[in-house]
Amino acid sequence: NAGVTQTPKFQVLKTGQSMTLQCAQDMNHEYMSWYRQDPGMGLRLIHYSVGAGITDQGEVPNGYNVSRSTTEDFPLRLLSAAPSQTSVYFCASSYQGYQPQHFGDGTRLSIL
Amino acid sequence: AQSVTQPDIHITVSEGASLELRCNYSYGATPYLFWYVQSPGQGLQLLLKYFSGDTLVQGIKGFEAEFKRSQSSFNLRKPSVHWSDAAEYFCAEVDNNDMRFGAGTRLTVKP
Repeated sequence: NAGVTQTPKFQVLKTGQSMTLQCAQDMNHEYMSWYRQDPGMGLRLIHYSVGAGITDQGEVPNGYNVSRSTTEDFPLRLLSAAPSQTSVYFCASSYQGYQPQHFGDGTRLSIL
Repeated sequence: AQSVTQPDIHITVSEGASLELRCNYSYGATPYLFWYVQSPGQGLQLLLKYFSGDTLVQGIKGFEAEFKRSQSSFNLRKPSVHWSDAAEYFCAEVDNNDMRFGAGTRLTVKP
């Protein structure tokens, strides 16, 4: 049972490039979410989804897009990377939004 | 929007000593509250949760937390800290699918 799998683990981008962070879960969870973690700020919610075809914005959505075509996958897209998006990104899932979440191991993203 | 405050950025305790990590939440109704632990380079692991009922909740690894509505607090405690408890600890609150985390408390354990 893999839980929540994030790829890649590390990525370096140049300003203006686009990329997609992948997240997959095998627990049949309806709720999935993306966070960014920055020093001294804890984790901040970027986007979340309560089921396939349904997404919503969190606290810091600007510069990021998501879609949820299947229950298992919840990719996060950076349309035009900026240095301010340098961070560690975590994907998480749970049966419902108020339930404890299972976290992936994170993607460390650096934007030059 | 609700917010979660962890007043202590960094705490150092000796191995075997007791531990209390503070957390204050802001959502006034019945909150859903959590404590997570993060080891370096890892994701977050759930220690315990509070939804309702008994205000003293037990978690994994010997941790417990007490919900105090009058103080809007949900402090994490452990009677005797082990060196392996060194990590960063996050308090979190959920309101309508929106989970908010505190900034975290880094725990250092002295031999």
